[in-house]
Amino acid sequence: GENVEQHPSTLSVQEGDSAVIKCTYSDSASNYFPWYKQELGKRPQLIIDIRSNVGEKKDQRIAVTLNKTAKHFSLHITETQPEDSAVYFCAAGSNAGGTSYGKLTFGQGTILTVHP
Amino acid sequence: DTEVTQTPKHLVMGMTNKKSLKCEQHMGHRAMYWYKQKAKKPPELMFVYSYEKLSINESVPSRFSPECPNSSLLNLHLHALQPEDSALYLCASSLTWTDTGELFFGEGSRLTVL
Repeated sequence: GENVEQHPSTLSVQEGDSAVIKCTYSDSASNYFPWYKQELGKRPQLIIDIRSNVGEKKDQRIAVTLNKTAKHFSLHITETQPEDSAVYFCAAGSNAGGTSYGKLTFGQGTILTVHP
Repeated sequence: DTEVTQTPKHLVMGMTNKKSLKCEQHMGHRAMYWYKQKAKKPPELMFVYSYEKLSINESVPSRFSPECPNSSLLNLHLHALQPEDSALYLCASSLTWTDTGELFFGEGSRLTVL
């Protein structure tokens, strides 16, 4: 099946710094790549997603880049704030067949801590 | 209403008990999911329902029995669970199953099996 690897597992930054989380996937049929943020004791919530026909997408301080050839995608958070502290999960899915058809395979998560 | 509501929030049960988890959404979504999440781990897919029919069962043990009575409701019936089944059980919904898009998660039901 699809395999999604996520790095780093923990990331500690100072407020105002940038944070980058990277993921790689194995199934070339995967064409949908969301990022979820899960605060302690809360539900996972979508923060940004990208489809394989796009190389980059931005939403205010958050951006995602996708390299289909290398099968990797990254989350970039600029001007980090303490409220960005959470666990971030990348995922891969497909609406066009493959082992991730109709379902999301999640990475192992990154615990981001932003120090004031 | 963009919420997925799960009850109960917490559940403690013995290994011989029978209990159920419930999930409800009123967003008109036709795909509903059960995920299991252990501490500091990603959600693991258990079941997918599409248009009230079971579409994916990720080889989940039969002590977990899903049910989708209608397009807004999803249940997970629990029987003869093991302590290792203790986890956060997340329900989610999306517009459709195969047209990938945002998953809306509920807050989860935290299950403890004694």
